[in-house]
Amino acid sequence: EDKVVQSPLSLVVHEGDTVTLNCSYEVTNFRSLLWYKQEKKAPTFLFMLTSSGIEKKSGRLSSILDKKELFSILNITATQTGDSAIYLCAVSDGGSQGNLIFGKGTKLSVKP
Amino acid sequence: KAGVTQTPRYLIKTRGQQVTLSCSPISGHRSVSWYQQTPGQGLQFLFEYFSETQRNKGNFPGRFSGRQFSNSRSEMNVSTLELGDSALYLCASRFEVNSPLHFGNGTRLTVT
Repeated sequence: EDKVVQSPLSLVVHEGDTVTLNCSYEVTNFRSLLWYKQEKKAPTFLFMLTSSGIEKKSGRLSSILDKKELFSILNITATQTGDSAIYLCAVSDGGSQGNLIFGKGTKLSVKP
Repeated sequence: KAGVTQTPRYLIKTRGQQVTLSCSPISGHRSVSWYQQTPGQGLQFLFEYFSETQRNKGNFPGRFSGRQFSNSRSEMNVSTLELGDSALYLCASRFEVNSPLHFGNGTRLTVT
């Protein structure tokens, strides 16, 4: 059965800390891995990764994929209270028209 | 460019009733997907429509159905509501199968 596992489930840090969120997956026909940030309602798209070893970066956020070991990490440096959210990892299954399989998410709380 | 729009934002229904949720995708996006989000199960895939055809379906009972219109707008219907159907229902659209999903703010359904 295809699955996506995120760790930790929750994390509390202080402003200025650096955090690393983990996502491992088992998918029959891997197409891509995506990261989303969910604050109140709509998950907002952060990154889409398709190739191993190529870092995607946006401001203080960065992500990388390891297709051999079947995992990805999302790094957030110099965290701010506005980074508090649930971070969702999803894998696109190429065998089912690109259906996204989501992990349960990591709830990040950044304290001032 | 307007984002994905879902209506209504909130719904309260009683067991046994039926409900219809609406979603307008981003202009130019022909694919619309529906997800159910609950605290225990996370985001679970319901179905995807592309050019008015259901392209993919998750593991939900037949009480959950949907359709897509020629202007790409989509509706989701749940019949014979159960307490366990209480959830946030998220709609997402994308340009093509290799594009990231973009989510709406969701419809919060409460079944009493």
